[in-house]
Amino acid sequence: DAKTTQPNSMESNEEEPVHLPCNHSTISGTDYIHWYRQLPSQGPEYVIHGLTSNVNNRMASLAIAEDRKSSTLILHRATLRDAAVYYCILKGGQGGSEKLVFGKGTKLTVNP
Amino acid sequence: NAGVMQNPRHLVRRRGQEARLRCSPMKGHSHVYWYRQLPEEGLKFMVYLQKENIIDESGMPKERFSAEFPKEGPSILRIQQVVRGDSAAYFCASSPTRTGAYEQYFGPGTRLTVT
Repeated sequence: DAKTTQPNSMESNEEEPVHLPCNHSTISGTDYIHWYRQLPSQGPEYVIHGLTSNVNNRMASLAIAEDRKSSTLILHRATLRDAAVYYCILKGGQGGSEKLVFGKGTKLTVNP
Repeated sequence: NAGVMQNPRHLVRRRGQEARLRCSPMKGHSHVYWYRQLPEEGLKFMVYLQKENIIDESGMPKERFSAEFPKEGPSILRIQQVVRGDSAAYFCASSPTRTGAYEQYFGPGTRLTVT
């Protein structure tokens, strides 16, 4: 499984934007970039995913570098509820591995 | 559309007993995944099932653990003769298909405590 590298922790202030980086220099052409988060004492929660183009949904935006070796999850206005561990995961395309391989993720702290 | 349901949410077992964890996937999802999170550790994949088939069990411990996803009813993760090291949160996820283009939706988990 291709690996990703994320900072161990980041801090943000409430109502400010947050940019969570992820490096995946060994990504293959068919790997999708997925982001999940896990709030304390809860199950993981899907956030967003993309292949090549930038993606937006109601939770966040995903900016993917042109060479696809890195990506950034953008929370436009952090709230206290966004405090969680964020995982950047590569998931194979057709015929690829179905399982999610979780690393250590980035622990996001949101200050009031 | 109800999300992924897991029960029980909390389960306490004595060493040597059996633990049965149930997972009902989201409506329309035929792919189920089980993950385990040991205390203070990350999430680890255990097994991937489709209806009546185990597709990938590369993360399952070799002994005492089994999983099934019958044609009717929920997926079951079964742990026989539990030991203290089995104490963990067990999460189930489901997806409509298997490719990387689709996300997995997780349940709230079952927290197993072995005394």
